[in-house]
Amino acid sequence: AQRVTQPEKLLSVFKGAPVELKCNYSYSGSPELFWYVQYSRQRLQLLLRHISRESIKGFTADLNKGETSFHLKKPFAQEEDSAMYYCALKGNNYGQNFVFGPGTRLSVLP
Amino acid sequence: SAVISQKPSRDICQRGTSLTIQCQVDSQVTMMFWYRQQPGQSLTLIATANQGSEATYESGFVIDKFPISRPNLTFSTLTVSNMSPEDSSIYLCSAGGGGAPNNEQFFGPGTRLTVL
Repeated sequence: AQRVTQPEKLLSVFKGAPVELKCNYSYSGSPELFWYVQYSRQRLQLLLRHISRESIKGFTADLNKGETSFHLKKPFAQEEDSAMYYCALKGNNYGQNFVFGPGTRLSVLP
Repeated sequence: SAVISQKPSRDICQRGTSLTIQCQVDSQVTMMFWYRQQPGQSLTLIATANQGSEATYESGFVIDKFPISRPNLTFSTLTVSNMSPEDSSIYLCSAGGGGAPNNEQFFGPGTRLTVL
């Protein structure tokens, strides 16, 4: 069964500090992993996906199949990064749906 | 990309009544989904809205409680029937995410439902 865990419900860091939001998954295969973000009073939106190996707004995430992790990192947090972050998994078979983690609320303090 | 709108954006309803939420996508999409996000919790998939056929419900959700329509490739409705306070939640419509690998899933703004 597909499952996504995010151990931290709330993460607070100071502006300029590094930040890492943890995500672990369970899936018997090669999944697709995503990070979604929801800023205050805005809709949920895609931040980045593992297959693109991109950096968006300074965030990166590397898929570690050995550790079944997809942690989100940013070297220098900004106040505007404060938001709710959801890790999501999609199975690699056609029609398999997204499974979302419980989310981590990131608070970047001035 | 797809832009998704939902109506209503919020509502306060009485116990025992029903509410129908509308979801409109600005382009034709293969996959449409309905999620529930209860206070302080993550998104839970209710069902996949299939165009021209019955929706596919996830475990714990049934058609009698959450009837869904999908008359075409840009529109879907979710009805929350015989509501109780436990149905108070944000209901999200989404589109995309199916078919080819790495398809992005787009989300509507959500409908905040409060049941008294």
